[in-house]
Amino acid sequence: DAGVIQSPRHEVTEMGQEVTLRCKPISGHNSLFWYRQTMMRGLELLIYFNNNVPIDDSGMPEDRFSAKMPNASFSTLKIQPSEPRDSAVYFCASSFEDTAEAFFGQGTRLTVV
Amino acid sequence: AQRVTQPEKLLSVFKGAPVELKCNYSYSGSPELFWYVQYSRQRLQLLLRHISRESIKGFTADLNKGETSFHLKKPFAQEEDSAMYYCALRADYKLSFGAGTTVTVRA
Repeated sequence: DAGVIQSPRHEVTEMGQEVTLRCKPISGHNSLFWYRQTMMRGLELLIYFNNNVPIDDSGMPEDRFSAKMPNASFSTLKIQPSEPRDSAVYFCASSFEDTAEAFFGQGTRLTVV
Repeated sequence: AQRVTQPEKLLSVFKGAPVELKCNYSYSGSPELFWYVQYSRQRLQLLLRHISRESIKGFTADLNKGETSFHLKKPFAQEEDSAMYYCALRADYKLSFGAGTTVTVRA
């Protein structure tokens, strides 16, 4: 298994544009997390899904952010419209609830100019 | 609500010196505590968890429920320990992290 796969690895976009980040969790995992990493705030939990259902989205900063998990093998995080303050590294992680260890993707470095 | 606090953003120690990374948590139930590490240009990965009570790469962490702490310790730091360390709390399947501590071990 290649682990959690995120795409793209790097994204540079102009302010106001829509950005979509993608994640493929490890097969068999039923929990999926989206995190945002910044120098100022460290690793912030944005949203987590259990069995494809969003359980807690209290960390989503604004309505400009939305996340979906249409099936067990795919999730997206969308920002529309994007702003410079959204620049960060976005991580996706998955876990199998009973074992509790979370496996992280390599992250998407987003730069909004 | 669950919360994880890492008071130190940066920690610099000399090689061979002891290192301790502080972590405090707040949660009304019985939490699961973890330490994750991110080496340069690598994925964030699990370092150790409190239920296993084991030493990984010379690091140990003891859960102190009275002080609601889960500090990470290593008696003799090595240069390869330079990394970002995150304390994490898992409750109700939700995994929350502290802000992280960047450790630099100098020769």
